[in-house]
Amino acid sequence: DGGITQSPKYLFRKEGQNVTLSCEQNLNHDAMYWYRQDPGQGLRLIYYSQIVNDFQKGDIAEGYSVSREKKESFPLTVTSAQKNPTAFYLCASSSSGWGTGELFFGEGSRLTVL
Amino acid sequence: RKEVEQDPGPFNVPEGATVAFNCTYSNSASQSFFWYRQDCRKEPKLLMSVYSSGNEDGRFTAQLNRASQYISLLIRDSKLSDSATYLCVVNSQGAGYNTDKLIFGTGTRLQVFP
Repeated sequence: DGGITQSPKYLFRKEGQNVTLSCEQNLNHDAMYWYRQDPGQGLRLIYYSQIVNDFQKGDIAEGYSVSREKKESFPLTVTSAQKNPTAFYLCASSSSGWGTGELFFGEGSRLTVL
Repeated sequence: RKEVEQDPGPFNVPEGATVAFNCTYSNSASQSFFWYRQDCRKEPKLLMSVYSSGNEDGRFTAQLNRASQYISLLIRDSKLSDSATYLCVVNSQGAGYNTDKLIFGTGTRLQVFP
C-alpha cells in the first residue's frame, strides 16, 4: 500500500537532546512537508521540500533541521535550540506542491520533552 | 488578525441534524480552498475541495463566498462517525514567485450524539 510512514509514533527525550523524526513515502511525490500541531493551534509549517536536495524554511524553522537526500525520505531533527519542542509532528507529501491542496499525511509523531 | 479563522466549537448535534461551519480568510488573493477532517489524535485527511460554484459530495456541501471571504461546510443527516475536527485550509498566495502555501485553520470540533 502506498503511503507515508512516520516513526517513531511516540518519543520521550530529555531537555538538551537532539532527536530525529523519520518520514518515508512511497507515493513518488516530489514535495514533502513537516508541520507541527499544538493544542488550540492550526498546523504550522516547519520546513518543506519541493525536490530532492532542496528545502525551504517554513514559518517556524528555528531549532529544526531537515535533509532531502532521497525523494522518499525527509527526516526532521529537533535540536536542543528548539525552545518548546513538545508537540505533535506531522509529515506530509503531495504530487504537485500546494496548488491542489491535497496533502497526504503520515500518522504523526508525538514528541514529549521531559 | 489570523489568516484563517474558525469557530473552535464544539458543535454538539444529535444524529440526523444538519450543521454548518464557516471559515473566514484574510488574503483576498487566495485561490484555493479545502476542508480537511481530523479525528482525535490522528492525521488530517482531505475531505473536499471548495470550488467557486460550490460543490457537493454526498451529505457534504462546500461553498465559497469570495466577496465576504469565507467558505462554509454543511453536513446533512449527521452521523456519529462525523464526529471529528474540521480544518479549513486556504492556499495563500504570496507576493513573489512560488511563494504560495497552505494555511490551516485551528479547526472546528463536531460532536454528534445519539
